[in-house]
Amino acid sequence: DTEVTQTPKHLVMGMTNKKSLKCEQHMGHRAMYWYKQKAKKPPELMFVYSYEKLSINESVPSRFSPECPNSSLLNLHLHALQPEDSALYLCASSQVRHPLRDTEAFFGQGTRLTVV
Amino acid sequence: KNEVEQSPQNLTAQEGEFITINCSYSVGISALHWLQQHPGGGIVSLFMLSSGKKKHGRLIATINIQEKHSSLHITASHPRDSAVYICAVRGSNYKLTFGKGTLLTVNP
Repeated sequence: DTEVTQTPKHLVMGMTNKKSLKCEQHMGHRAMYWYKQKAKKPPELMFVYSYEKLSINESVPSRFSPECPNSSLLNLHLHALQPEDSALYLCASSQVRHPLRDTEAFFGQGTRLTVV
Repeated sequence: KNEVEQSPQNLTAQEGEFITINCSYSVGISALHWLQQHPGGGIVSLFMLSSGKKKHGRLIATINIQEKHSSLHITASHPRDSAVYICAVRGSNYKLTFGKGTLLTVNP
């Protein structure tokens, strides 16, 4: 199993809603990532978890709240989003290896989020 | 100046043509990734390189660490190869720095 599975595939939410994005992998990877991608732009890193602990937060607004409940799951909780937060949200995972040159990333299919 | 520069930004080819996409970077890296993304879709990792050359089917990726340059080649291109190809580099931590991507269109 070399898949990173993201649910839902599409999500439309209002600015007052609370919703969650889910990401799951069963490759034994201990690093998991959230990226945000706007149309025709490269992905932007949001968060990195390593061994279920938040290791990188790229100054993401608090209306995005990540959670890593176990080594296979990564959630992104959304609250009070703005229309400009509409984007493709990608999850990725990788092994934690040293040196890092051996760390291949596996990406999910993404969740297409629209905030209305 | 972006740390990762790709060229060309857009590429149109006829089916069967040999295709080359280039990537130059300005920082020290631990690895370079070539990724593929179909419109509206997720990202698929094609190659991870830290030196030399790798081949997978019709795809070949090379890297020259001294020149800070990598190329992705597609032999006998096919319309299903149409996608955005992204070069990304990893430095000394988990962060990937992405190029802006090359939009490839292969016409039948």
